[in-house]
Amino acid sequence: AQKVTQAQTEISVVEKEDVTLDCVYETRDTTYYLFWYKQPPSGELVFLIRRNSFDEQNEISGRYSWNFQKSTSSFNFTITASQVVDSAVYFCALSEAFSNSNSGYALNFGKGTSLLVTP
Amino acid sequence: NAGVTQTPKFQVLKTGQSMTLQCAQDMNHEYMSWYRQDPGMGLRLIHYSVGAGITDQGEVPNGYNVSRSTTEDFPLRLLSAAPSQTSVYFCASREQGYGNQPQHFGDGTRLSIL
Repeated sequence: AQKVTQAQTEISVVEKEDVTLDCVYETRDTTYYLFWYKQPPSGELVFLIRRNSFDEQNEISGRYSWNFQKSTSSFNFTITASQVVDSAVYFCALSEAFSNSNSGYALNFGKGTSLLVTP
Repeated sequence: NAGVTQTPKFQVLKTGQSMTLQCAQDMNHEYMSWYRQDPGMGLRLIHYSVGAGITDQGEVPNGYNVSRSTTEDFPLRLLSAAPSQTSVYFCASREQGYGNQPQHFGDGTRLSIL
């Protein structure tokens, strides 16, 4: 079963629009960690944020904000006033503290959302 | 600040050939891993290592071997390349712990098998 679902395969917006990327996860663990990574067209993977399961405080970093809701098992990512440089594939990932201890606490990635921001 | 270094960046192989993808990190991280990225599939774990001398299989290990003789290096070997192994391969490392540390990724190796 897929542990991380990113239902939006592709999103296209015009510059300066706000956009929200959805991430829904599935776990039985009470302790887990959620991550967002960005993969620009150049191909590298860039770490954006980590959230612990016991910390539901939302986070804002410049134009980026993250909304973590345990009640709906979601960890959504919003870009405010999008820019062309935000065009990338964004991945949500889950690491479970107990269930995947036999994988060294590996990351389970969603399939990614491709965001295109046009001028 | 080298971080995680992967070589080569691009490679074309013929079916049946073997090769080794190199990965080195200079952050003294105990945990290292290899992922493959295929269109529409996200990243899938091939093999991982929690320290020198210790390796184990991930989600898609068939056709690949790994070894970890030093903390710094974690090479991935394709024994007999197949077209299904055409992919982008990423090596990653992180501090040990319980999965709460972010993984640092190399720039990837784009591999084509003809």
